[in-house]
Amino acid sequence: EVQLVESGGGLVKPGGSLRLSCAASGFTFSNAWMSWVRQAPGKGLEWVGRIKSKTDGGTTDYAAPVKGRFTISRDDSKNTLYLQMNSLKTEDTAVYYCTTIKVGGNSQYYFDYWGQGTLVTVSS
Amino acid sequence: SYELTQPPSVSVSPGQTARITCSGDALPKKYAYWYQQKSGQAPVLVIYEDSKRPSGIPERFSGSSSGTMATLTISGAQVEDEADYYCYSTDSSGNHDVFGTGTKVTVL
Repeated sequence: EVQLVESGGGLVKPGGSLRLSCAASGFTFSNAWMSWVRQAPGKGLEWVGRIKSKTDGGTTDYAAPVKGRFTISRDDSKNTLYLQMNSLKTEDTAVYYCTTIKVGGNSQYYFDYWGQGTLVTVSS
Repeated sequence: SYELTQPPSVSVSPGQTARITCSGDALPKKYAYWYQQKSGQAPVLVIYEDSKRPSGIPERFSGSSSGTMATLTISGAQVEDEADYYCYSTDSSGNHDVFGTGTKVTVL
């Protein structure tokens, strides 16, 4: 059974940093492309970024609002995905979900498995 | 930036059919995906590649796409189908992934 368990959320001041973790099990993590998706309170879903498997280059892509501030990385030896968030803004307040990525037809990506999310609150 | 537009809300009586639309300029060439999110829970994929249903998703959920609009249909809606529904796709370049604005489905 695929399990994704996020951790590391909490309260942080504007301008601060936080690192989220996502512990994965039930599948071959090293082969998986992974992503982070967030949801501000009472709002819709927003893609944050993704990382490919190392065999596919290990490259990352980010949504415009977080590019240059957030970094996604992975430790395949620990089956863990990370999201390093720097220069946090109040608008980054959200539940952050870790997801697996599936590449389907048209080489389009989509998210098949999701964790339960971890809440990040950016406030003074 | 690329946008996918959905109606904010749809109401349906139990047993009736609910249709949720998703409008986007790239949809003639890109697949649409649909996610269901119940209150306090993580999203669940209910339709992929416009019209395919993942295992475990009830047959009452179906999808279609024509031109710039994709549609999620719930035939014979149940009370347990009350949720927010989001479409998801990418722009014509394939570089900008985006979720739709979301539709709250009420079954009563």
